[in-house]
Amino acid sequence: DTAVSQTPKYLVTQMGNDKSIKCEQNLGHDTMYWYKQDSKKFLKIMFSYNNKELIINETVPNRFSPKSPDKAHLNLHINSLELGDSAVYFCASSLGQGNGYTFGSGTRLTVV
Amino acid sequence: KNEVEQSPQNLTAQEGEFITINCSYSVGISALHWLQQHPGGGIVSLFMLSSGKKKHGRLIATINIQEKHSSLHITASHPRDSAVYICAVHGGATNKLIFGTGTLLAVQP
Repeated sequence: DTAVSQTPKYLVTQMGNDKSIKCEQNLGHDTMYWYKQDSKKFLKIMFSYNNKELIINETVPNRFSPKSPDKAHLNLHINSLELGDSAVYFCASSLGQGNGYTFGSGTRLTVV
Repeated sequence: KNEVEQSPQNLTAQEGEFITINCSYSVGISALHWLQQHPGGGIVSLFMLSSGKKKHGRLIATINIQEKHSSLHITASHPRDSAVYICAVHGGATNKLIFGTGTLLAVQP
């Protein structure tokens, strides 16, 4: 059973398109996150949700909009994709902030 | 300067060697995490520490809160240990997870 599952694993799309990445966790965690890993493998938080409420929103362009329909899901929608959005996006979850994190397998987004 | 610094950035070892990866941080923290990322890309949480020392198999993690420093040790290293090891701290002004730049470890047979 996959604990944190992201779909799709790979996403290749053209500039200007709108795309979504889905994330689901079956661990009963109440906090979910989106992280971006750039070409230098550096990870940085984008968003954090606790019980469907946004608690961290880093300086991410408005083109990125997270949506959490329930505490087991945190989806990421990206409008008007740009070349610089190419990266690997990781979803993660934890029970409360700062506790053990479980990561999804990542979504490699390539914008051409 | 990054709030979480790791050293070395790259490390090559021979199978069986004892390996140490260091992490220093400059912010107040509630916990420190060691993560492992294999070439396939998945990230696995190895340890979460707020004090002292933890051991899991051949892996040992220590933290010194006063010195704001943590080390990850691998005993009897094996080629399957080859991965990127990432130190991350939970804390700072916005109480978020802040990552180090990672240490790329290659263990040669």
